[in-house]
Amino acid sequence: TQLLEQSPQFLSIQEGENLTVYCNSSSVFSSLQWYRQEPGEGPVLLVTVVTGGEVKKLKRLTFQFGDARKDSSLHITAAQPGDTGLYLCAGYSYSGYSTLTFGKGTMLLVSP
Amino acid sequence: GAVVSQHPSRVICKSGTSVKIECRSLDFQATTMFWYRQFPKQSLMLMATSNEGSKATYEQGVEKDKFLINHASLTLSTLTVTSAHPEDSSFYICSARSETNGYTFGSGTRLTVV
Repeated sequence: TQLLEQSPQFLSIQEGENLTVYCNSSSVFSSLQWYRQEPGEGPVLLVTVVTGGEVKKLKRLTFQFGDARKDSSLHITAAQPGDTGLYLCAGYSYSGYSTLTFGKGTMLLVSP
Repeated sequence: GAVVSQHPSRVICKSGTSVKIECRSLDFQATTMFWYRQFPKQSLMLMATSNEGSKATYEQGVEKDKFLINHASLTLSTLTVTSAHPEDSSFYICSARSETNGYTFGSGTRLTVV
């Protein structure tokens, strides 16, 4: 069973602060995805990283995939209340059939 | 982009009754659909993987006779919670996978069993 450890579990910060969420595994993934989920809604895909060492930027969000494709990080610059939500990393691997493994999630609360 | 429609978004049912949740892929065909369960402030727990025209594959600990999954077409999968009890109350989410669109999630169904 492939496991994705996500940290921190909860994060409460003030508007304007920076933060980083980590996603780690002992397994190699062919790609890794980050999702954001708001209460009562399904997860919405933010980004997919495929290549080891890859860095992708989405406005104030920076995503990095580890060189060994076992870990990833999400960095948010100058967080805003609209960033509040549950952030989920999900690793994709092919093992007979394609599977998407979710981390436990990071609940982010950004206060004005 | 790809859209997955999940219906109903909320349902309240009496204990002992059955509830059906539908998951439709719009404008694309999904050979595989996934059903997840999510508890408050927690991550998604995969319940089962559903392939069109074949029996669903259930994760360990998920009762296949209680959570009936039907994937009769490339655009529709249904999850029926049979003889629902209060402990089945949860947020259920489906996801559809295609070669071109990857994974697309539905907006979820809040089930409350009273």
